[in-house]
Amino acid sequence: KAGVTQTPRYLIKTRGQQVTLSCSPISGHRSVSWYQQTPGQGLQFLFEYFSETQRNKGNFPGRFSGRQFSNSRSEMNVSTLELGDSALYLCASTTGDAYNEQFFGPGTRLTVL
Amino acid sequence: AQTVTQSQPEMSVQEAETVTLSCTYDTSENNYYLFWYKQPPSRQMILVIRQEAYKQQNATENRFSVNFQKAAKSFSLKISDSQLGDTAMYFCAFMKHGSNYQLIWGAGTKLIIKP
Repeated sequence: KAGVTQTPRYLIKTRGQQVTLSCSPISGHRSVSWYQQTPGQGLQFLFEYFSETQRNKGNFPGRFSGRQFSNSRSEMNVSTLELGDSALYLCASTTGDAYNEQFFGPGTRLTVL
Repeated sequence: AQTVTQSQPEMSVQEAETVTLSCTYDTSENNYYLFWYKQPPSRQMILVIRQEAYKQQNATENRFSVNFQKAAKSFSLKISDSQLGDTAMYFCAFMKHGSNYQLIWGAGTKLIIKP
């Protein structure tokens, strides 16, 4: 069974631009969560989607948004990029019904110049 | 709000030794999960071990075991017979039951296993 995949693996953008990151969960998994990892703030929860619905959202500005498609693939979008958005963005997938282990992807490294 | 604290930014031990990583948390919840994740230099986050708060028995997974002290809100990870492949960042994480997989993370401990 293929693991969680994230594309692209690396991305360089400039301030003010917008970016879209993609996450493909493990087959059969319907829940996808997103996390931001920075040296200063550590790991922070962004949001979680289940069956195309956002069930939970962390404390991030509205510039951070996401969505989930009918095949459970998820995208997150960051508009009007700031230098502080430079981070490793991780997604994790799980079945979503009652607690099951979350499996993480390798992450997308975003650098904002 | 829940918080997770890892007080050891970095630790190093010799191969084959036993090492214990500390984690404390703060919550008013009674039903929750606790986790230890490993993030090697490859960046892939891997679940090491998990503990359900309602279970008094400490979780174990091969060389990895936890010491869960619910009243003290302490959740330490013991790695026995450490191996070079254990070198990684280790994160302690908390998840409230019913929170839809929202993990609250500690700052991490960098563990170095020396040959």
